[in-house]
Formats: sequence, structure tokens, C-alpha cells
Amino acid sequence: SYELTQPPSVSVSPGQTASISCSRDKLGHQYVSWYQQKAGQSPVLVIYRDSNRPSGIPERFSGSNSGNTATLTISGTQALDEADYYCQAWDSDTVVFGGGTKLTVL
Amino acid sequence: EVQLLESGGGLVQPGGSLRLSCAASGFAFSIYSMTWVRQAPGKGLEWVSGISANGFSTYYADSVKGRFTISRDNSNNMLYLQMDSLRLEDTAVYYCAKEGLGSSGYFEDWGQGALVTVSS
Repeated sequence: SYELTQPPSVSVSPGQTASISCSRDKLGHQYVSWYQQKAGQSPVLVIYRDSNRPSGIPERFSGSNSGNTATLTISGTQALDEADYYCQAWDSDTVVFGGGTKLTVL
Repeated sequence: EVQLLESGGGLVQPGGSLRLSCAASGFAFSIYSMTWVRQAPGKGLEWVSGISANGFSTYYADSVKGRFTISRDNSNNMLYLQMDSLRLEDTAVYYCAKEGLGSSGYFEDWGQGALVTVSS
């Protein structure tokens, strides 16, 4: 079955760069999107089609996708970035989400 | 402003049925594909079902295929999810989401969610 693998947790200090990975064989051949979900809230799209930011998403959020791994990068991480992050891709006619990564800003 | 408002959630016994609705406003509903995503308590996101803009094409996760039916009413800007033969593991918050234009493969707007609890 199609699975996207994310690390369960990532920790970062305020002002530093956080990187969250999403892996699958040949993932670079597909588009990947990323969602942020804060506690008790609905998901929010932060990156679409590998590296595009929707309007209203801060420039510190960026994405890349190559080989077997897509990466969400948050530069100058702020306390308000603490959330769960999910990658997402398509497989045939179904949508797949990664298991999610809890980002902790220490 | 895009608004997606889910309703119809609640408590249902195993084997029962429930229909979720999603009222859409603030955008041209009839030209966007739509989807349902769920989240079990304390768990991650799970895609459930999607439907094309004209309603002619529907897609389902294996976990709900044959039990759930997605539909839409473009005249009234409504999205639906008919859930039959519900199981304990269907307990989750169900979100409706709007896909980016042109079956883009990403979900740019989400509702606030509706809680479905399957329990005896």
C-alpha cells in the first residue's frame, strides 16, 4: 500500500530552522503538499505542489521535493509555528497523508 | 471569503447510518472538486472520499468503499457524505475541504469539522 513516512516529532529552538521530511520511493515524481494543524483547529495548507506558498502563508515556510524525499522547511521558527504537520500526495485516484510530525519549539 | 460549514454529526450505534452535510459559500462551488477527510481522536489525517466538480466522478478510500457515498448539489452549494454500516473505527472528526482549481491535488480550504461518534 502507498505510505508517506514522516518522523513523529521534531524539536527546534526559536529562531532556528526546522526541517520536516516526508519519504516514499520515487516521491520526487509526484507533487507533495503540506498542512499545518494547531491544537483544536482545522488543517491549513502551507505548501502546495512541492514548493508553492498560498497567499497569507509567511515566507519562512518553504518546500522541496527530490528523489525519495519531500521536505518542509521553516526558517526562523517562531513559537506560533508549534503544530502538527502533514504531507500529502496522490496515488492513482486516492489521496494519501503522511502520519504527521509534531513540531515542538523549545 | 470561503466558508465550509459541516453539520449532521452525532452519536450513532454500530451498524447505523448518518449523513453529513457541508454548506459552501464564498466561491463558485460548481467548478471545484471537493473532498472529505477525517481524523480519529488523537490520530492523524485520513482521506475518506472525493468528488469531481460536476459530480460525475467519485473516489473512496478502501476503508469506506461500499459503505460511504459522496454526493453534491451544485444548485444549492452543498456537499454530502452518506455513511452506512458504521463501525467503531469510523469515530472521528470529519472535515470537508475544497480542492484547488482544476483537480489540483491539494486542499486549500477546510471546514471546522463535524464529530461522528460510533458507540453502543
